[in-house]
Amino acid sequence: DTEVTQTPKHLVMGMTNKKSLKCEQHMGHRAMYWYKQKAKKPPELMFVYSYEKLSINESVPSRFSPECPNSSLLNLHLHALQPEDSALYLCASSQGLGGGYQETQYFGPGTRLLVL
Amino acid sequence: AQSVSQHNHHVILSEAASLELGCNYSYGGTVNLFWYVQYPGQHLQLLLKYFSGDPLVKGIKGFEAEFIKSKFSFNLRKPSVQWSDTAEYFCAVLSRNTGKLIFGQGTTLQVKP
Repeated sequence: DTEVTQTPKHLVMGMTNKKSLKCEQHMGHRAMYWYKQKAKKPPELMFVYSYEKLSINESVPSRFSPECPNSSLLNLHLHALQPEDSALYLCASSQGLGGGYQETQYFGPGTRLLVL
Repeated sequence: AQSVSQHNHHVILSEAASLELGCNYSYGGTVNLFWYVQYPGQHLQLLLKYFSGDPLVKGIKGFEAEFIKSKFSFNLRKPSVQWSDTAEYFCAVLSRNTGKLIFGQGTTLQVKP
């Protein structure tokens, strides 16, 4: 089973709203990722968690706040977003991080976010 | 800086034609190489991957890729495409040092029935 699930599938929010995206995997993976993908563009890495600790933050604005409550769950809290933040937000997981491990990232279906 | 270059941005083929999508990477260390596919409205799916060993890798749906270390290339091939192969294809390199997956810009494949 290589399934990563994400909720909601679609989200529309105003610039003053607070919302959260959720990601879940039950593969026993210890690394989880958030990516942002614009139409016809490759995914851009936002955050990486390893063993529930934030490992990489790719200089993402503070209006995006990740959280990893446990090894199976990853949240992305959104607050005061801008219209240019509208995109597909992808979650991925892998057994671990690089550094000698032969890791493969498995992606969820994404949450399509529209900021009005 | 590490980078991945996909030469073909938009490819249009007729059904049964052969496919080759180019991918070159720039990275001096040990790499893991991947091809992902994204069908319209769907999520990224892993087509195939290379870690070590036989440089000719076979993936799902009849796709294969060849790793040529001397050319820093990992080209994707399929002998005979189908209409259902219409999708966005991404080549990616995993840096074993940083754990970051670096994507190419993607190639849009359109297969005409």
